[in-house]
Amino acid sequence: GAVVSQHPSWVICKSGTSVKIECRSLDFQATTMFWYRQFPKQSLMLMATSNEGSKATYEQGVEKDKFLINHASLTLSTLTVTSAHPEDSSFYICSAKSHGTATEAFFGQGTRLTVV
Amino acid sequence: GQNIDQPTEMTATEGAIVQINCTYQTSGFNGLFWYQQHAGEAPTFLSYNVLDGLEEKGRFSSFLSRSKGYSYLLLKELQMKDSASYLCAVRDRGAGGYNKLIFGAGTRLAVHP
Repeated sequence: GAVVSQHPSWVICKSGTSVKIECRSLDFQATTMFWYRQFPKQSLMLMATSNEGSKATYEQGVEKDKFLINHASLTLSTLTVTSAHPEDSSFYICSAKSHGTATEAFFGQGTRLTVV
Repeated sequence: GQNIDQPTEMTATEGAIVQINCTYQTSGFNGLFWYQQHAGEAPTFLSYNVLDGLEEKGRFSSFLSRSKGYSYLLLKELQMKDSASYLCAVRDRGAGGYNKLIFGAGTRLAVHP
């Protein structure tokens, strides 16, 4: 299957700082990328959907000014957690799919964010 | 609204067969996926159903009934490495016309010797 690379795998940051997470599709053009958050022993909760070159569509309850998403190219999307707080500590996962025939989205490895 | 239900936990014996059920309610159904997820890792794709019936892939099979809003994942010849969470996800066509995956809470399967 296609490869999606997410970086970093884990990050620890101080409260009030911002953290950027990158999601790259390595061998295909990702017209759409999805960002999820997963708390321990819970399922993936979709945060937002981003299409290349346009603004992200956020799910209800997700603050777009806190979770900044940029999808500037067909192979890269970034999620920036601004003014991070301990309650933002979670596992963040991206997935990417190409336009047209692809039936599945491919997931990155995930990023474990810990805010102290 | 959207709702996906699956059992929280299941246990099974090595070598046996286990069936994990999933029921869903969604307004814009456009396919159902099953993913496997080990703790601390990203989900990996197992199967995809968009039409009614059974899809078989090696030790894994997935069934879909759209009229009943029901799917199951069947795992045969269980191995210890199959201990993981299994996520049922429905692809839903949202109000904006684009597809998104809605995940169930996952079923944690424990395989015992």
